[in-house]
Amino acid sequence: EVQLLESGGGLVQPGGSLRLSCAASGLTFNTYGMGWVRQAPGKGLEWVTSISGRGVHTYYADSVKGRFTISRDISKNTLFLQMNSLRAEDTAVYYCAKSPTIVTRYFDLWGQGTLVTV
Amino acid sequence: QSVLTQPPSVSGAPGQRVTISCTGSSSNIGAVYDVHWYQHLPGTAPKLLIYANTNRPSGVPDRFSGSKSGTSASLAITGLQAEDEADYYCQSYDSSLSGWVFGGGTKLTVL
Repeated sequence: EVQLLESGGGLVQPGGSLRLSCAASGLTFNTYGMGWVRQAPGKGLEWVTSISGRGVHTYYADSVKGRFTISRDISKNTLFLQMNSLRAEDTAVYYCAKSPTIVTRYFDLWGQGTLVTV
Repeated sequence: QSVLTQPPSVSGAPGQRVTISCTGSSSNIGAVYDVHWYQHLPGTAPKLLIYANTNRPSGVPDRFSGSKSGTSASLAITGLQAEDEADYYCQSYDSSLSGWVFGGGTKLTVL
């Protein structure tokens, strides 16, 4: 079964850092683009960042550019999100999501999410 | 403020048809970029409902359909069922922002 499982969320002070992980199983990891989407309390979905299949290309929303870094370890089938200089407005459930193509167009598989509270 | 505008809420009785609109601009929907739709129940993983404007992933009932025209897109749900009560989001790419964008979301209530 194809599955995405996020971990690493928690409570952090403003200005602090946190690293989220997303373990992928049941798929050829480097074939697909991946991304992170978040949902702040009471708000809608917000695209945060995406990475191409082999990790060559990365893309960021303006709200996180320069503070967040997306990466992937193909050997471990794991996606990461390094979050630095965290702000109260970064508080959200963070979803890991898979694109059906090597570059993100849309997301056809999502994880259950991990809560980050700043 | 989302660059894709959706109505905050829609409602309908069981068996009825509802539509959810998604209005964009010439830098997203009105350009060459496709529109995709997701269903999201609080506390669960969002689910892809429609991709590339009109296509349904396997397992999505044909009660759900999508369309796109000009700078807008729509999601139609026919034969409403209680289990359809959820939040629905449209998504596209915006060339001005150089990134992917979601609509603000629409809460569907089945009366």
